[in-house]
Amino acid sequence: EAGVTQFPSHSVIEKGQTVTLRCDPISGHDNLYWYRRVMGKEIKFLLHFVKESKQDESGMPNNRFLAERTGGTYSTLKVQPAELEDSGVYFCASSLGVSSPLHFGNGTRLTVT
Amino acid sequence: QQPVQSPQAVILREGEDAVINCSSSKALYSVHWYRQKHGEAPVFLMILLKGGEQKGHEKISASFNEKKQQSSLYLTASQLSYSGTYFCGTGGSYIPTFGRGTSLIVHP
Repeated sequence: EAGVTQFPSHSVIEKGQTVTLRCDPISGHDNLYWYRRVMGKEIKFLLHFVKESKQDESGMPNNRFLAERTGGTYSTLKVQPAELEDSGVYFCASSLGVSSPLHFGNGTRLTVT
Repeated sequence: QQPVQSPQAVILREGEDAVINCSSSKALYSVHWYRQKHGEAPVFLMILLKGGEQKGHEKISASFNEKKQQSSLYLTASQLSYSGTYFCGTGGSYIPTFGRGTSLIVHP
């Protein structure tokens, strides 16, 4: 089966610009998660979708971040406007059930200059 | 509250054993273990859902002490392919919260 895919793999933008990250989960996985890892720190939870509904967005840093999951398939995470501290690797993961193992994508490395 | 892993880094020779510990200040429902190689996606190793449960994956096994809110990952007779960063994810709810990881380097 195809794994979780994320686009782009790398993005370099200037402070104040907008970036949209995309995640395609494994087909049939209703649960989709976004995480972020800043170098040397923990993999920090951002939010959790079940199908198209946001179940938990307690980890979203602020209102500059907007996540959507249209039709319960792929998801996008938009950062607008980007700030320097938004730099890091953004991981998407999907799972069959809430207690199931997470399948991670390769991540999108975001650099804000 | 993220779990705390120890040690932060381990350097081994091929064939040696290692233990990575993970502890939480909150009651745990589950513990996940993942390994990430540089530039790649974290890969699932195992999940433990009950207190006292132990699971194995090749020569890698883990235990979960629900009462102590701790889990340990045991790597036996380490191989070069074991190198990477190991993350534990702990769930007070169903969503795993990850720590900073333990970097494991296995030398020939």
